[in-house]
Formats: sequence, C-alpha cells, structure tokens
Amino acid sequence: DGGITQSPKYLFRKEGQNVTLSCEQNLNHDAMYWYRQDPGQGLRLIYYSQIVNDFQKGDIAEGYSVSREKKESFPLTVTSAQKNPTAFYLCATRTGIAAGQLFFGSGTQLSVL
Amino acid sequence: GEDVEQSLFLSVREGDSSVINCTYTDSSSTYLYWYKQEPGAGLQLLTYIFSNMDMKQDQRLTVLLNKKDKHLSLRIADTQTGDSAIYFCAEVDTGRRALTFGSGTRLQVQP
Repeated sequence: DGGITQSPKYLFRKEGQNVTLSCEQNLNHDAMYWYRQDPGQGLRLIYYSQIVNDFQKGDIAEGYSVSREKKESFPLTVTSAQKNPTAFYLCATRTGIAAGQLFFGSGTQLSVL
Repeated sequence: GEDVEQSLFLSVREGDSSVINCTYTDSSSTYLYWYKQEPGAGLQLLTYIFSNMDMKQDQRLTVLLNKKDKHLSLRIADTQTGDSAIYFCAEVDTGRRALTFGSGTRLQVQP
C-alpha cells in the first residue's frame, strides 16, 4: 500500500538532546512538509521541501533542522535549541498540482522528560 | 501573513446538522480546504472548494463560500457519532505552495 510512515509514534527527549523524527513515503510525491500541532493552535509549518536536495524554512523553523537527500525521506531533527518541543508532529506530502491537497502521516508525539 | 480563524468547540446531538465556520484573510486563495482529524491521527482531506464557486455539495457535506466576507462554512447533515473529530479549514499560501491552517474546531456529537 502507498502511504507515509512516521516513526516512532511516541518519542521522549531528555534536556539537551537532539532527536530525529522519521518520515518515509512511497507515493512518489515531490513535495513534503513538516507541521507542528499544539492543542488549540492548529498546525504550524516548520519546514517544507518542493523537490529533492531543496528545502525551505516555514513559520517556526528555529530549533529544527531537516534534510532531503532522497525523494522518499524527509527527516526532522529537533535540536536542543528548541526549548519547548513537546507537540504532535505531522509529516505530509502534496498529492498533486493543487497546493492544498496534502496527504498526512499518522504523526509522532514528542514529549520532554 | 495569512491568518485563518475558527471557533474552538461545537457540540450537537446525533441526527442534527452541524455548521463549522471559518474566516480567512488571503483573498487570492484559489482553493479553500476542509480537513478532518480523529484522535491521535493525521489529517485527512474532506473536501475543498474552488474560489469561483459559492457552494459545493458532497453527500452529507455542504461547503459555502462568501468571498466578500472571506467566510467559509462546512455543514454536516445528519451528524453521526463517527463525525466527532477536529475539523480544520485551510487556505493556500501560494508563495510557498503550502497550507495555512485554522486552529481547528472540535466537534462533539452527543447520542
């Protein structure tokens, strides 16, 4: 089945630690996105990539980093510079030409120990 | 920048109609979207409307668009307990080819 796999589903971070959230897709989609979800605040764009080897900062990129070395993979690293990392992280791909037709993974809940 | 606003909570009884409202700011949006999120899951696209339309109906869902007031609504007819979820409206950030989401409306359906 085609889809997006986000792993792990739950992740715990110790203070000062960097952690990486995985996002893998087999949909052959060019564009990929990372959103952060906090209760009552909707989704905010962290980083996005329209094509392999290219990515751009979103609205809340500080304390995060990404890479896009392969079409299938768009990992997100939450660095120690991100002081409030507890949130639900969602990865998405764009399904077509229309910018709004996104297909989402099932998310990773990151919590701080 | 764009800002999309929604009320946070709506409670209805099973069988009633639900109406979820949204206001957006970017008048150049070509499409506007409604997404649904069930607990602990990602979002799924429910429906969308092209900006030159006033209304779109898809089975139990009706989307109304008032471009003059930049107001979008989603009506769910004969609401069922399985419709309980968070509903997000979203507009396109054409420069980044990404979506800007509202804060989401939590719909609670009571039996």
